[in-house]
Amino acid sequence: GQNIDQPTEMTATEGAIVQINCTYQTSGFNGLFWYQQHAGEAPTFLSYNVLDGLEEKGRFSSFLSRSKGYSYLLLKELQMKDSASYLCAVPNQAGTALIFGKGTTLSVSS
Amino acid sequence: DGGITQSPKYLFRKEGQNVTLSCEQNLNHDAMYWYRQDPGQGLRLIYYSQIVNDFQKGDIAEGYSVSREKKESFPLTVTSAQKNPTAFYLCASSILAGRDEQFFGPGTRLTVL
Repeated sequence: GQNIDQPTEMTATEGAIVQINCTYQTSGFNGLFWYQQHAGEAPTFLSYNVLDGLEEKGRFSSFLSRSKGYSYLLLKELQMKDSASYLCAVPNQAGTALIFGKGTTLSVSS
Repeated sequence: DGGITQSPKYLFRKEGQNVTLSCEQNLNHDAMYWYRQDPGQGLRLIYYSQIVNDFQKGDIAEGYSVSREKKESFPLTVTSAQKNPTAFYLCASSILAGRDEQFFGPGTRLTVL
């Protein structure tokens, strides 16, 4: 089967750096996605990793280790607007849909 | 502008009534999906469609039905058989099924009284 684990909640202060971890168990790995979801809104795409290593995109970076079944999302120079839920997702076994983790709710305070 | 729309944003129904949620996309995407989200939970897959006139059950399909008669449209019917239908419903689409970035609609919050 497939399983995705993320911490439920995290807190941080403006200007800080935060790392949100995601571990997954899946057969036939086909990449890992990160989405951001503000309360009451639709998720929006942040990143996609299919190869090992770090991919940087502005203040956000995403890391993947396929051998460890591990990914993290790194948010730098935190802003209040970064308060949201961050969802980790991997394709299902058939590669036809995404399986989402329960999400990590990040609260950024001043 | 290309995008994916869902209507209505809020929907109230009495217990025992079927209700259909609309999802339309003009992105020319082949794949479309329906997810359910409950408070503090991630997204759970209800149904998905890889191509027009074809669809498959997701993890929680019981009490739901879909159709995919047109590429642009993927309506979801919440039937009276769904035991706990009150939730936030999200529709998404992608170029190809599974491995491509998914674009989400704004969601429909269904409350069954």
